[in-house]
Amino acid sequence: GAVVSQHPSRVICKSGTSVKIECRSLDFQATTMFWYRQFPKQSLMLMATSNEGSKATYEQGVEKDKFLINHASLTLSTLTVTSAHPEDSSFYICSASNRVTNTEAFFGQGTRLTVV
Amino acid sequence: AQSVTQLGSHVSVSEGALVLLRCNYSSSVPPYLFWYVQYPNQGLQLLLKYTSAATLVKGINGFEAEFKKSETSFHLTKPSAHMSDAAEYFCAVILTHTSGTYKYIFGTGTRLKVLA
Repeated sequence: GAVVSQHPSRVICKSGTSVKIECRSLDFQATTMFWYRQFPKQSLMLMATSNEGSKATYEQGVEKDKFLINHASLTLSTLTVTSAHPEDSSFYICSASNRVTNTEAFFGQGTRLTVV
Repeated sequence: AQSVTQLGSHVSVSEGALVLLRCNYSSSVPPYLFWYVQYPNQGLQLLLKYTSAATLVKGINGFEAEFKKSETSFHLTKPSAHMSDAAEYFCAVILTHTSGTYKYIFGTGTRLKVLA
């Protein structure tokens, strides 16, 4: 299957700072990327869907000014958590697909964010 | 609207015993259904998918699932559990919009424990 690389795998940041998480599709062009948040022992909560070259579509209740998503190229999407607070600590996962693979999403390894 | 329900948040089986993880779907159109596995602090890995071809789908690691329209089910099975199968399993369905956009809807997950 296709490979999606997410970086960093773990990050610790101070409250009030911003953190950027990268999601790269290594061997295919991802026209659509999804960002999820996963709380301990819970399912994946879709935060937003980004299509290359257009603004991300955020799910209800997700603050778009808090979680900035950029999908500037067909192989890279970034999620920036701005002015992070301890309650933003979570596991963030990206996935990618395109019109050819749209029956399968390929997932990154996830990023464990801890805000102290 | 499409959705999936996973019955049983925790399932325990003995090593060598049958694994059965339940998933029921709700969809007004023929669904695309998936089973993913997640190991601790990692992303999701696709086990298998149903895309309206054969109703019995074989996946990786000896897993298979059968699409039963009459029961609106897509249960995951494995004849003989291995210790390495201990993980979190998610059933998912694709939700499509008339605009052509789509997103994945995940079940709440089932944690499989394999007893020695």
